[in-house]
Amino acid sequence: EAGVVQSPRYKIIEKKQPVAFWCNPISGHNTLYWYLQNLGQGPELLIRYENEEAVDDSQLPKDRFSAERLKGVDSTLKIQPAELGDSAVYLCASSLEQNTDTQYFGPGTRLTVL
Amino acid sequence: AQSVAQPEDQVNVAEGNPLTVKCTYSVSGNPYLFWYVQYPNRGLQFLLKYITGDNLVKGSYGFEAEFNKSQTSFHLKKPSALVSDSALYFCAVRDYSGYALNFGKGTSLLVTP
Repeated sequence: EAGVVQSPRYKIIEKKQPVAFWCNPISGHNTLYWYLQNLGQGPELLIRYENEEAVDDSQLPKDRFSAERLKGVDSTLKIQPAELGDSAVYLCASSLEQNTDTQYFGPGTRLTVL
Repeated sequence: AQSVAQPEDQVNVAEGNPLTVKCTYSVSGNPYLFWYVQYPNRGLQFLLKYITGDNLVKGSYGFEAEFNKSQTSFHLKKPSALVSDSALYFCAVRDYSGYALNFGKGTSLLVTP
């Protein structure tokens, strides 16, 4: 069974530029999460989707961050414009159900903003 | 909010010796606890979880964890460490309000030959 797929794996951009990350969850997983992991820290939730609905986006900085999950499968996370402080690893995870089920993580996208 | 703490930034152990990575939790109600491992430039890999039932949970790669309600702990253990176990280990608790995982800061495990 294929795991969670993310692309790109690495991205280097100048500040004020836009950037987008893509995630393909495990087949059949209805719940999708985007986490942010700063260096030396544990991941922190940005947004959670149940199918195509964003049910928890309270931690998403909506002035510059946006996300979508069209058709309830793949998801895209966008930053526009990027700031130096956005340099981090962006992790996508998925789970079959939202309650006690295990979340499976992708390899992440490492963003460097210069 | 549900939270976990990992009191050790780094744990060093010799290959073949038992290892313990500590985690304590703070929750209201019954905790749903998880352990993940992260290798360099890789995502988090699930090791094991405690939802209910037996306090000793067995997971992947020979790891196990003991849930202790009186001490509010969920320590990760392995009887005999391997050099390949060297990685970053994260304890996490599920947040009731949003179903996200609240992670600890992580503990770096170094197993020396």
